[in-house]
Amino acid sequence: QKEVEQDPGPLSVPEGAIVSLNCTYSNSAFQYFMWYRQYSRKGPELLMYTYSSGNKEDGRFTAQVDKSSKYISLFIRDSQPSDSATYLCAMSSADRGSTLGRLYFGRGTQLTVWP
Amino acid sequence: DTEVTQTPKHLVMGMTNKKSLKCEQHMGHRAMYWYKQKAKKPPELMFVYSYEKLSINESVPSRFSPECPNSSLLNLHLHALQPEDSALYLCASSHRLVGANTEAFFGQGTRLTVV
Repeated sequence: QKEVEQDPGPLSVPEGAIVSLNCTYSNSAFQYFMWYRQYSRKGPELLMYTYSSGNKEDGRFTAQVDKSSKYISLFIRDSQPSDSATYLCAMSSADRGSTLGRLYFGRGTQLTVWP
Repeated sequence: DTEVTQTPKHLVMGMTNKKSLKCEQHMGHRAMYWYKQKAKKPPELMFVYSYEKLSINESVPSRFSPECPNSSLLNLHLHALQPEDSALYLCASSHRLVGANTEAFFGQGTRLTVV
């Protein structure tokens, strides 16, 4: 079992839809969570960074963390064609052992928003 | 400013060539990373530097040689590469090592083709 599971999709939605992207993880030491957006042939762009359970909102994006269920989500409201990209979740461990310095990525979900 | 700058954007090299990839950040970050990314896969960690010292080497072949001349610069020296080394090479940086409550920022990558 991979440490971070993410459905690769593809996910296709109409413009204006609410998109829900999710990751689950198995390591309870994961404390810090990131969502990246990656356009084709470009580097990942950091969208959200959270380190506590609950919701964090930034514009049309909301990141949600449920540590008790080991489940994180990214919601995109009023989705736009420009949101079409691959979304990667990533997390890091607060355990200062061999995990320090390592990001654990999901496989990425490919999203298409059609006009 | 959350910019990590990578040069060149594209590189084509023969298997006997020697080339270098360059990464620069001016955010005062003390941790810098090299990742390799193949199509439709998440980034794979190669090297981590913390305070200009090599912290992690993910058993990368010696034909890849990292260098951190100062806290703002990270190089990746390439020699005698194989066609299977063709990939997007990503540099990232963070205030301190991920896992210590910090997010990581990625550059746009160098698309490397080995012929």
